[in-house]
Amino acid sequence: QKEVEQNSGPLSVPEGAIASLNCTYSDRGSQSFFWYRQYSGKSPELIMSIYSNGDKEDGRFTAQLNKASQYVSLLIRDSQPSDSATYLCAVNLPGGGADGLTFGKGTHLIIQP
Amino acid sequence: NAGVTQTPKFQVLKTGQSMTLQCAQDMNHNSMYWYRQDPGMGLRLIYYSASEGTTDKGEVPNGYNVSRLNKREFSLRLESAAPSQTSVYFCATTTGTGSSPLHFGNGTRLTVT
Repeated sequence: QKEVEQNSGPLSVPEGAIASLNCTYSDRGSQSFFWYRQYSGKSPELIMSIYSNGDKEDGRFTAQLNKASQYVSLLIRDSQPSDSATYLCAVNLPGGGADGLTFGKGTHLIIQP
Repeated sequence: NAGVTQTPKFQVLKTGQSMTLQCAQDMNHNSMYWYRQDPGMGLRLIYYSASEGTTDKGEVPNGYNVSRLNKREFSLRLESAAPSQTSVYFCATTTGTGSSPLHFGNGTRLTVT
C-alpha cells in the first residue's frame, strides 16, 4: 500500500525566514513527486514537481529529493504571509500514472508577520 | 480556457437523497479523477478513468458510481447519500502519463444531513 507521510503541523515560521516542509513515502518504486499548495476553502494548486535526486529551484521554492531515503522536501525562502497555507506532498508510481497520485495529509504552514 | 469545471459548488442533501456531481475539462486530458477531502484524512481517491470508456475504483469507492460520458466529462453519482459522505469533492485531470501532475477543479462542498 502506498503511503505518504507529512507532519500535520502547524509549522510556524517568522516572515523572511526559511520554511522547511518534509515528506516521506513508502513505495520505493515511486518516480514522480509533487508539492501542492492549498489555501483554506480552495483547491490544491501545483507549485513544484521533481523527478530525480537532488535539488530543483523555482523562484523562492526549492524541492529536494532523496530516493535512497525515500524523502522529499520543500524549502520556501524569504517566507511571506501569503505563503501561509496547507502544503500537500503527492507521489506517483512509474507507469501507474492512470491511477492518480497518493497524497499526504498536508502540513499547515503559518508565516508570522 | 476554464481548465476543470465542477458543478455545483455547494450542495446540501438529506440522508437517502441522490445527486450527481458534474466535472468537465477542456484540457484534452485522457485521465480524470474524483477525490474527496476530509479534515485529518487528506485527499482520497474515489474513482478514476484512465481514458474514455474506462473507469476503475480508487481507495474509497463504496457508495459512489461514476460515468465517463466522453473525453471531457466525468460524473460522480451518490445514489443514497449518507452523512459519512459529507466532504469536499474534487475532480482532477492529467495527461495520463506517470510523470504528469494533476490539475484540480474548484471543488464541490457537500453536506448530508
